[in-house]
Amino acid sequence: GAVVSQHPSWVICKSGTSVKIECRSLDFQATTMFWYRQFPKQSLMLMATSNEGSKATYEQGVEKDKFLINHASLTLSTLTVTSAHPEDSSFYICSARGTGVTDTQYFGPGTRLTVL
Amino acid sequence: QKEVEQNSGPLSVPEGAIASLNCTYSDRGSQSFFWYRQYSGKSPELIMSIYSNGDKEDGRFTAQLNKASQYVSLLIRDSQPSDSATYLCAVKGPISGDKLTFGTGTRLAVRP
Repeated sequence: GAVVSQHPSWVICKSGTSVKIECRSLDFQATTMFWYRQFPKQSLMLMATSNEGSKATYEQGVEKDKFLINHASLTLSTLTVTSAHPEDSSFYICSARGTGVTDTQYFGPGTRLTVL
Repeated sequence: QKEVEQNSGPLSVPEGAIASLNCTYSDRGSQSFFWYRQYSGKSPELIMSIYSNGDKEDGRFTAQLNKASQYVSLLIRDSQPSDSATYLCAVKGPISGDKLTFGTGTRLAVRP
């Protein structure tokens, strides 16, 4: 139980394009989802918290107009990196926390984004 | 002082030994504690959660929590080379709300 999927697992795009990453909770309803970014050999950095049906809460220093988050249903949240640039290349990981489970966060497998 | 502190390692142990990973936290009101394992290039996977003082065992893993000392640890018995990874301690408390506060992780290397 408590499986979280992400799609795509990796993506390569040209500078200036937008990329959408999907995060799905497969066997539970996730009222809250979290988006993290991790650069090589660094720790996880929380970007934003999204609750179903409401606007995401972004961490300090994260541009909300650049990283668009939508949590339209209890099983799906999306992160869109708009006008991506090479410095946005990173490992993006989502996690989900449900209502019927404890406050445990379960992580998706991550999406590796490379911007050329 | 960092909110969640871990020794970055690497912690090197021989195969079959007990690996002991430690974590301290600053928010005395913290209620939930988690250990995640992260292999290189992969996302974190949950090993164990612990909420009450004392020990919690799951297979080869034992989590230990001491709220008075603001200390949580993870013991791995009969360490295997496949246990070589970075172990992340995460804490959830009233200040952080829904969010987890992660330590920077301890890299464990199990020598065959």
